[in-house]
Amino acid sequence: ETGVTQTPRHLVMGMTNKKSLKCEQHLGHNAMYWYKQSAKKPLELMFVYNFKEQTENNSVPSRFSPECPNSSHLFLHLHTLQPEDSALYLCASSQDRVRMETQYFGPGTRLLVL
Amino acid sequence: DAKTTQPPSMDCAEGRAANLPCNHSTISGNEYVYWYRQIHSQGPQYIIHGLKNNETNEMASLIITEDRKSSTLILPHATLRDTAVYYCIVRVAGNQGGKLIFGQGTELSVKP
Repeated sequence: ETGVTQTPRHLVMGMTNKKSLKCEQHLGHNAMYWYKQSAKKPLELMFVYNFKEQTENNSVPSRFSPECPNSSHLFLHLHTLQPEDSALYLCASSQDRVRMETQYFGPGTRLLVL
Repeated sequence: DAKTTQPPSMDCAEGRAANLPCNHSTISGNEYVYWYRQIHSQGPQYIIHGLKNNETNEMASLIITEDRKSSTLILPHATLRDTAVYYCIVRVAGNQGGKLIFGQGTELSVKP
């Protein structure tokens, strides 16, 4: 599925760095999501945006800061991360928050925090 | 959302049909069955969903029992690229809020 793209695909950062993950969807969807997937663990929903408005923050630490400038783009700004934040970060989109059962995922960004 | 139970792993020979079962004995009348898969180190991919009737698309077929307490995802001619973890999710469609719960899934290995 190439409808959702994520950059970079791999990222290594130190605990004092600031970096951003980018997601773009070409499907005309109005809802976008950030997920975290740690090794051998189920996906964890982090943030939800619907029509550019953040509708959910699932108790995510403030060192993760999302931004949704328009319905096609979603960013995840990272600062002062911890090694335990190393994981696969996945972006997804759906038609809207109501029709969230059919989501289209990007390939993910593999993040390593040293 | 109803709880689902899937075998942790299955093997399938290349070219043969892969039949992945899912039990959802507590499913309620307005809950759909959704299937996703996740190939290693990639994002999950939506496959198919259904309510009561059997469904088929270009990727797979979904067979739901008459009592709706279980279902089977069928990949008719499995290839090596179908090796992935397959997730069965039960949810009310259009129920804004909540989240997709990806459990442990079934790890399907397609072997030459």
